[in-house]
Amino acid sequence: GAGVSQSPSNKVTEKGKDVELRCDPISGHTALYWYRQSLGQGLEFLIYFQGNSAPDKSGLPSDRFSAERTGGSVSTLTIQRTQQEDSAVYLCASSHQGQGREQFFGPGTRLTVL
Amino acid sequence: GENVEQHPSTLSVQEGDSAVIKCTYSDSASNYFPWYKQELGKGPQLIIDIRSNVGEKKDQRIAVTLNKTAKHFSLHITETQPEDSAVYFCAANRDTGRRALTFGSGTRLQVQP
Repeated sequence: GAGVSQSPSNKVTEKGKDVELRCDPISGHTALYWYRQSLGQGLEFLIYFQGNSAPDKSGLPSDRFSAERTGGSVSTLTIQRTQQEDSAVYLCASSHQGQGREQFFGPGTRLTVL
Repeated sequence: GENVEQHPSTLSVQEGDSAVIKCTYSDSASNYFPWYKQELGKGPQLIIDIRSNVGEKKDQRIAVTLNKTAKHFSLHITETQPEDSAVYFCAANRDTGRRALTFGSGTRLQVQP
């Protein structure tokens, strides 16, 4: 079946511009996560959505970052006024809570801020 | 919060040898410990996981061991093959709360043919 998909796969933007990154989770998965992976580093948690509950935004690094999940499915991560330190790979993962713990990751969006 | 440390950061082995990657965690409430493999340009993929009620788990050439008392867990790959070359991440989380994974910093494994 279809896995987690993300778009775009690559995004190059200029400092100060806003960007939107999209994640399509596996159908039926109630939990959705965004992580950030800086060059050569591990994955850093950003935000977590679970069903209709309020999202856990505790990992967002600044108020320039926000995310939403519409209809319990597609999610969009928005970064406003991008800075060079925002350059990273942004990974989305989904899981089906209550049926194992495995998180399935998408291929990521590589963001480069010039 | 949880902190996961992973060693070594790079590991080079000859094809056919074994590879071991070690992780320690800080939160005694963590009870789920997955290992992910990430190939270049791809997202991480789960290769094996272990829960805190189990001390060891095997899947063909891959095994994971968990020592809850010492709060460390290890990945063992036997009979390594060139296609095992990748970056491996350990992670940990708990049953309660957000269940977001806390990841180690990764180990780049290079299997020399």
